[in-house]
Amino acid sequence: NAGVMQNPRHLVRRRGQEARLRCSPMKGHSHVYWYRQLPEEGLKFMVYLQKENIIDESGMPKERFSAEFPKEGPSILRIQQVVRGDSAAYFCASSPSRDYEQYFGPGTRLTVT
Amino acid sequence: KQEVTQIPAALSVPEGENLVLNCSFTDSAIYNLQWFRQDPGKGLTSLLLIQSSQREQTSGRLNASLDKSSGRSTLYIAASQPGDSATYLCAVRRETGANNLFFGTGTRLTVIP
Repeated sequence: NAGVMQNPRHLVRRRGQEARLRCSPMKGHSHVYWYRQLPEEGLKFMVYLQKENIIDESGMPKERFSAEFPKEGPSILRIQQVVRGDSAAYFCASSPSRDYEQYFGPGTRLTVT
Repeated sequence: KQEVTQIPAALSVPEGENLVLNCSFTDSAIYNLQWFRQDPGKGLTSLLLIQSSQREQTSGRLNASLDKSSGRSTLYIAASQPGDSATYLCAVRRETGANNLFFGTGTRLTVIP
């Protein structure tokens, strides 16, 4: 059973461009979480999704950020009009149910130039 | 609001030493607590998960304890090895409400050969 997969692993964008980060959960997992790790800071929760639904987006900035988890395909975290402050490592985690342990992917490191 | 603190921020020990990493959290109403390892530029590897009803968990040279009432957990590493060098993260999940993880900022461990 493959682990949580994220791509790309590294992404470079210029200010003002869009960034799309993908997360494929483990097989059988329908719950996905996105976390962000800013340089020299701890991981912070952004959004929690279940297939086709956003359950909790309390940690996600209101503007420029959006997330989806369609019925088919990976979960996508989309950042529009990126700024330098968006440079961070973005981690995805998945679980088979709400109360189960979360399994983390290797992360996507976004650099905004 | 749940806040997680890890002390020390960095630790350097000679190979073979036993060591203790500390984690404290402000809200004792937790569902579980998890210790992770993060290598530079890599994702998170789950080490131990302690349910709120448990006092400790062991895996090989690692032992994690939980004192829920005082809001503390320790990770004990026996006979440290250079390969243990990494950042160790503590994370808690709240008992009710959102089930995202709250992370500490980590302890950066260096084991000197």
